[in-house]
Amino acid sequence: EAGVTQFPSHSVIEKGQTVTLRCDPISGHDNLYWYRRVMGKEIKFLLHFVKESKQDESGMPNNRFLAERTGGTYSTLKVQPAELEDSGVYFCASSQVGLRTFFGQGTRLTVV
Amino acid sequence: AQRVTQPEKLLSVFKGAPVELKCNYSYSGSPELFWYVQYSRQRLQLLLRHISRESIKGFTADLNKGETSFHLKKPFAQEEDSAMYYCALEVGGIQGAQKLVFGQGTRLTINP
Repeated sequence: EAGVTQFPSHSVIEKGQTVTLRCDPISGHDNLYWYRRVMGKEIKFLLHFVKESKQDESGMPNNRFLAERTGGTYSTLKVQPAELEDSGVYFCASSQVGLRTFFGQGTRLTVV
Repeated sequence: AQRVTQPEKLLSVFKGAPVELKCNYSYSGSPELFWYVQYSRQRLQLLLRHISRESIKGFTADLNKGETSFHLKKPFAQEEDSAMYYCALEVGGIQGAQKLVFGQGTRLTINP
């Protein structure tokens, strides 16, 4: 069974550019989450989808971040324009209702 | 406010020695706590959750509501236990969702 898959695994972009991260959850998982770990800090919640609906986006840092989950399958997280402080590892996770959460391998984003 | 504290960023013990990774939490509701582990070059994965009261890979963790702690213990450490360990608290719970608040993580190194 395929796990949660994230693309790309690494991305290096210049300040001011746009980057789009993608997450393919486990098939059948309605819950999809984005988390982020900034260097030296804890993993922090960004937002939560239930199917295609944003259930909780209280962790999104600012309006430079836009997450979508069209059709309730894969999700994208776009950062536009990227700033230096956006560097970190972005994790996607998915779960079925009431069951354990599975994490992707993460996308390491470096903004230079 | 909900918060998870792991006081040790680094912990190093010898193979065969007991190991304890500390975790304290702050939460006004009924806590659901987890330990996640990330081995080198692998994704974040669930190690154990307090509600299941199980032992995984020789690790156990007991929820102590009086001390607001959920320390992870293993009586005899093995080299393969070297990894990054995260304590996490589930909050929110909208529609069965698992929104997690993570501690900063403890990097455990088992020396031969």
